[in-house]
This record gives sequence, structure tokens and C-alpha cells, in this order.
Amino acid sequence: DAKTTQPNSMESNEEEPVHLPCNHSTISGTDYIHWYRQLPSQGPEYVIHGLTSNVNNRMASLAIAEDRKSSTLILHRATLRDAAVYYCILRDEGGGATNKLIFGTGTLLAVQP
Amino acid sequence: GAVVSQHPSRVICKSGTSVKIECRSLDFQATTMFWYRQFPKQSLMLMATSNEGSKATYEQGVEKDKFLINHASLTLSTLTVTSAHPEDSSFYICSARGGSVNTEAFFGQGTRLTVV
Repeated sequence: DAKTTQPNSMESNEEEPVHLPCNHSTISGTDYIHWYRQLPSQGPEYVIHGLTSNVNNRMASLAIAEDRKSSTLILHRATLRDAAVYYCILRDEGGGATNKLIFGTGTLLAVQP
Repeated sequence: GAVVSQHPSRVICKSGTSVKIECRSLDFQATTMFWYRQFPKQSLMLMATSNEGSKATYEQGVEKDKFLINHASLTLSTLTVTSAHPEDSSFYICSARGGSVNTEAFFGQGTRLTVV
């Protein structure tokens, strides 16, 4: 499974945008980029995923570099409830792939009021 | 999003006993379910992958005889921790996804197991 690299922690102020980076230089053509977040003592929550084009949903936006070796999760206006560990994960969707989600260490996002 | 329910949310058991954790997909058919374990301040570690009606595939280092996984239907998978010991105390989380590619996986709320 291709590896991702994320900063251990980031801080943001409430109501401001947050850009969470992820490097995945060994990404393969059939890897989708998935983002999940985990609040304390809860299971992970799906945020967004994409392959090549930028993606938007009600929670966030995903900006994918043209060479796909990096991506950025964008929270447009951080709230205190967005404080969580954010995981950037590559999942192989190619034929015969196991489609497993392998979690790295993620980025702990702190949001200051 | 789809709902995955885990039960119980927390359990305390005596050393040497077995504990069963249930994972249900409430509003979709989960052809594949995953079981994870998470120790304090660490990331999730994948234990095994199970497809409905098939034997589970365990990750390296996970004892299949200790962590019994059953995925007998498209909406239910169970994880049984047999002969539990204090070192098995952890947060166990299941995940489920439907059959088609490019679909997201949904996670249960987790089960906090404490072995005393």
C-alpha cells in the first residue's frame, strides 16, 4: 500500500479556513485519495475522497495536485467541532485489490476559539 | 451517510473469558467488513478483512485463533476475543463498505474493551 505523509499537528482559529496537506509521492494510477477524521473515543468519519479532479462536498474540499503526488484537504471555516485527527489514506481500487484502508498517524487539528 | 452500528460500546470482562463484539450495517449491504484495533494515542491498526460468506483474511501478526471473525450475512459481522488478557484491552472498531468500487467505508462507533 502506498504511503502518505502528514504533519503531526496543526492549529487553526475558529471561523478561519484550514488547509491540511498530505504527500503521497508513490501513489499509483489506481489509488484513490481518501480523507477520514476521528474525534476522541469515536470511530473514524468519512470526509471526502477523489482520484484526479478536485472534489467538493458539504464538509470539505479536496484539492489534488496535477501529478497526484500531494493533496490538500480544505475546511472552509473551522469550528470547534472540527478538532480531530485527520487521516489521509490511499486506497487501491484496481482489479483484485483488497480495498483496505490502512491508517497512518494523521494530523491532529486543534481549533482555537 | 450510511450507518454502521457496533455493540456493545464498552465492555469489561475478566481475564480468561471471551467477548463478542457485533458490527451491523443498518441501511446497506456490507459485502466487506474490516476490523481494527486502536491503542491509546495510536492510529488504527487493521486486524482483518472479511467478505460475506468467506473466511476472514488476517493481517500479519494477528492471531486468527484468538480473534475469531464471522461474517455470515451482508449486514452482520462479529469479532470474538477469546481467552482475553489485559493486553487485549483496546478500542476495537469495525468498518463496512458495499460491493462496488470507489465507495466509501463507514465506521462503527467503536467498542472499548477492558480486561481485568
